[in-house]
Amino acid sequence: AQSVTQLGSHVSVSEGALVLLRCNYSSSVPPYLFWYVQYPNQGLQLLLKYTTGATLVKGINGFEAEFKKSETSFHLTKPSAHMSDAAEYFCAVSSSGYSTLTFGKGTMLLVSP
Amino acid sequence: DGGITQSPKYLFRKEGQNVTLSCEQNLNHDAMYWYRQDPGQGLRLIYYSQIVNDFQKGDIAEGYSVSREKKESFPLTVTSAQKNPTAFYLCASRLLGIQETQYFGPGTRLLVL
Repeated sequence: AQSVTQLGSHVSVSEGALVLLRCNYSSSVPPYLFWYVQYPNQGLQLLLKYTTGATLVKGINGFEAEFKKSETSFHLTKPSAHMSDAAEYFCAVSSSGYSTLTFGKGTMLLVSP
Repeated sequence: DGGITQSPKYLFRKEGQNVTLSCEQNLNHDAMYWYRQDPGQGLRLIYYSQIVNDFQKGDIAEGYSVSREKKESFPLTVTSAQKNPTAFYLCASRLLGIQETQYFGPGTRLLVL
């Protein structure tokens, strides 16, 4: 069975600082991995995804993530945080023969001025 | 304007009452999904459907029912058997194909009176 662990339910950074949100997964098949962002009382928006090919994936709003098979990780980074990045972030892995997603419990990113 | 619509935005349920949440998409997506979101729990899959007139249970299907009579519609009924229905409900859809992305609607918040 697939599972996702997001380390840290809350991460606080200062504006302009590096953002690092951690995601580790387990999967019995080659994983497809996703990061979504959710603003309060809204649906989820895709930030980026890894399926095959290049292991460093660039997404929207300056975010990127690197797939590391040996570490079973897919951490999300952004060089410089902006106030508008404050939101909840979810990592997900494909499951059930790639027809569904298994989500982590989410990490709330807090950005202070 | 293509997208996924969910209605209503807020829904109130009385004890012992069944309520139905609407999800419609005009993206011509094949698969549709229902998730439940509780604080600190991430997203948990309730039901999904990959084709009209067929659907599968997710991880927390007890107390819920669905139908898929049309490709663009996937309503979710929260029955009186669901003892703790207060949550944020998210609908998603995607094209079939293992690399395809799930796209999310804006969500419905269900509250019990």
